[in-house]
Amino acid sequence: EAQVTQNPRYLITVTGKKLTVTCSQNMNHEYMSWYRQDPGLGLRQIYYSMNVEVTDKGDVPEGYKVSRKEKRNFPLILESPSPNQTSLYFCASSLRYGSSYNEQFFGPGTRLTVL
Amino acid sequence: LAKTTQPISMDSYEGQEVNITCSHNNIATNDYITWYQQFPSQGPRFIIQGYKTKVTNEVASLFIPADRKSSTLSLPRVSLSDTAVYYCLVGGILTGGGNKLTFGTGTQLKVEL
Repeated sequence: EAQVTQNPRYLITVTGKKLTVTCSQNMNHEYMSWYRQDPGLGLRQIYYSMNVEVTDKGDVPEGYKVSRKEKRNFPLILESPSPNQTSLYFCASSLRYGSSYNEQFFGPGTRLTVL
Repeated sequence: LAKTTQPISMDSYEGQEVNITCSHNNIATNDYITWYQQFPSQGPRFIIQGYKTKVTNEVASLFIPADRKSSTLSLPRVSLSDTAVYYCLVGGILTGGGNKLTFGTGTQLKVEL
């Protein structure tokens, strides 16, 4: 089944404790992206990747890191999480970057709470 | 990226047709218009995309007037399961093929019996 998976689905952590949220897709998509969703603010893009080893900042990249060493994986790293990073996070992928057709496939989400 | 404006919420009843209009006055020539649907605690799901005139698929229709400054998502005969948030987005090749999407706060559609 074609899908985007994220792990963990739920995470409660404390300020400053490094964490990684994994994202994997099995559709051989070139493009992957991370979003956060907060009440009243909609979805905001954190980082995106056009292909392996190619990443760029989205609208709210502060406090986050990403890497794209393999086509299928795009982990989101919080080096020193803070309470304002408490949010619902979504990973997404689409076939390629630069195409006019932009259907993105979203993962199930990761609910992160930073105490 | 073109900014979009849509109603915050809409109410409807089962079996009715629902039309959600999105305004995008500064849409660029290369921009496409895309609609996503999101249920609570789930990721958004692609519904439909268009550039001009009318596009129809198995779940919805998208109407785009000649000036492309607005678009209307039409959901025929809605059911309770269509209760969700609907997002209108614009983007195109010059903005990364629309991959760098900007989601607004969307329209909360509530369908009742």
